Amino acid sequence: AQSVTQLDSQVPVFEEAPVELRCNYSSSVSVYLFWYVQYPNQGLQLLLKYLSGSTLVKGINGFEAEFNKSQTSFHLRKPSVHISDTAEYFCAVSDQDRGSTLGRLYFGRGTQLTVWP
Amino acid sequence: DAMVIQNPRYQVTQFGKPVTLSCSQTLNHNVMYWYQQKSSQAPKLLFHYYDKDFNNEADTPDNFQSRRPNTSFCFLDIRSPGLGDAAMYLCATSRDRGQGRDNEQFFGPGTRLTVL
Repeated sequence: AQSVTQLDSQVPVFEEAPVELRCNYSSSVSVYLFWYVQYPNQGLQLLLKYLSGSTLVKGINGFEAEFNKSQTSFHLRKPSVHISDTAEYFCAVSDQDRGSTLGRLYFGRGTQLTVWP
Repeated sequence: DAMVIQNPRYQVTQFGKPVTLSCSQTLNHNVMYWYQQKSSQAPKLLFHYYDKDFNNEADTPDNFQSRRPNTSFCFLDIRSPGLGDAAMYLCATSRDRGQGRDNEQFFGPGTRLTVL
């Protein structure tokens, strides 16, 4: 089973400041990586995903993430946040095991991003 | 737009009174999942259907059951809800991994269950 660590449970920042939300995973095999965002009382919405190719992935709402295989990390970044970015962010990992037709998603515990005016 | 729909969005039930949550999808995905999410925690997978094949997680209580009468619909039945079952319940769908596809999961808006 995969293990996903989001080191920061809460990240407070001021509006227009840059932000980085950290995600590390434990795996010795190739993986797919995802970042989901959850607004209060809503489901999870995909921000971006890494499948293969370029290690820098751009997503919606100005977010991007960089896959670092040697450090087994997939940190999420945004150069300038807005108050509307206040939400819970979940990192998730799935292995690329071709022997399985179902890829389990393993979630981190989430990071609450709060943007202050 | 293709989507995952959950009804109701908010459900209140009494301790021990059976309750059913519903999920429907227009994505024509063959895999459907039910997650339980408690406050400030990650979603916890309860079970999933791969087509009609039901797969229960080892630590999912017997109190939770599921039905999938067709591709589009999936139901979560809680036979005797306890106070500890109050949570957000999320339905998700995905395609299977055939033909090199990834398994991005598409989530519904969730049902917030309150147990009195």
